Amino acid sequence: QVQLQESGPGLVKPSQTLSLTCTVSGGSSSSGSYSWSWVRQPAGKGLEWIGRIYTSGSTSYNPSLKSRVTMSVDTSKNQFSLNLTSVTAADTAVYYCARGGYWGQGTLVTVSS
Amino acid sequence: QTVVTQEPSLTVSPGGTVTLTCASSTGAVTSGYYPNWFQQKPGQAPRALIYSTNNKHSWTPARFSGSLLGGKAALTLSGVQPEDEAEYYCLLYYGGGQGVFGGGTKLTVL
Repeated sequence: QVQLQESGPGLVKPSQTLSLTCTVSGGSSSSGSYSWSWVRQPAGKGLEWIGRIYTSGSTSYNPSLKSRVTMSVDTSKNQFSLNLTSVTAADTAVYYCARGGYWGQGTLVTVSS
Repeated sequence: QTVVTQEPSLTVSPGGTVTLTCASSTGAVTSGYYPNWFQQKPGQAPRALIYSTNNKHSWTPARFSGSLLGGKAALTLSGVQPEDEAEYYCLLYYGGGQGVFGGGTKLTVL
C-alpha cells in the first residue's frame, strides 16, 4: 500500500521560501512513469493545482505560481520536494502531495511574521 | 485564465442517481483533457475516484462512473449512499500538462 507523507515547517515568514518534502513508502519514486503533484487548499476554499514533476525530471507548473515554484524529485530517497519563494499570507494553506491516485494527509503551512 | 466550472451544489436522495459535470471555459471537454474526479469529506484529504475520463482506481466503488456528456466531463453516482455526501472536484489538464481544478460540487444526500 502506497503512502505519502508531507513534511516541512508549519510556519513561514513573509517573503521567505516555503519548502516541503513528500516521502513515499510502500512503493518506489522511480517505479513506473508517474507524475508527482502538489496541490494546496486555503481554509474553507477549493483545491488549487500547484504543479507536477515526472520521474524524468520534467515539470509543469500553475502559470500563476510558475515564477515562484520549483519542484524536484530524489528517487534514491523516494522523495519529491516543493519550493515556493517570496511567500505572502495568500500562500497560507494545507499543502498536499499526490502520486498515481494516492494522496498525503496534507500539511498546514501558515505564512505569518 | 482558464476556468473550470462545476455545479456549486446538488442534492440527491439515498438510492438515487446524480450526475456532476465539469465544463471548461476553453470549449468542449474531450478525453484529451484527461478528466480526473476527487471526493473530499470535511477534515480529510481528497480521495481520487476517476482518472482519464472513465478509469477507476482500485478503491473506487462501482457506483461511481466517469464519462463525457454534452461537451463536459461527468461523474455519475448510481445508487447513492449516505456516505457519498461530500465535496467533489474535477481536474482537467491543458496544454503543457497544466492542471486546473473546478470549484467543487457540494453533494448533499437527503
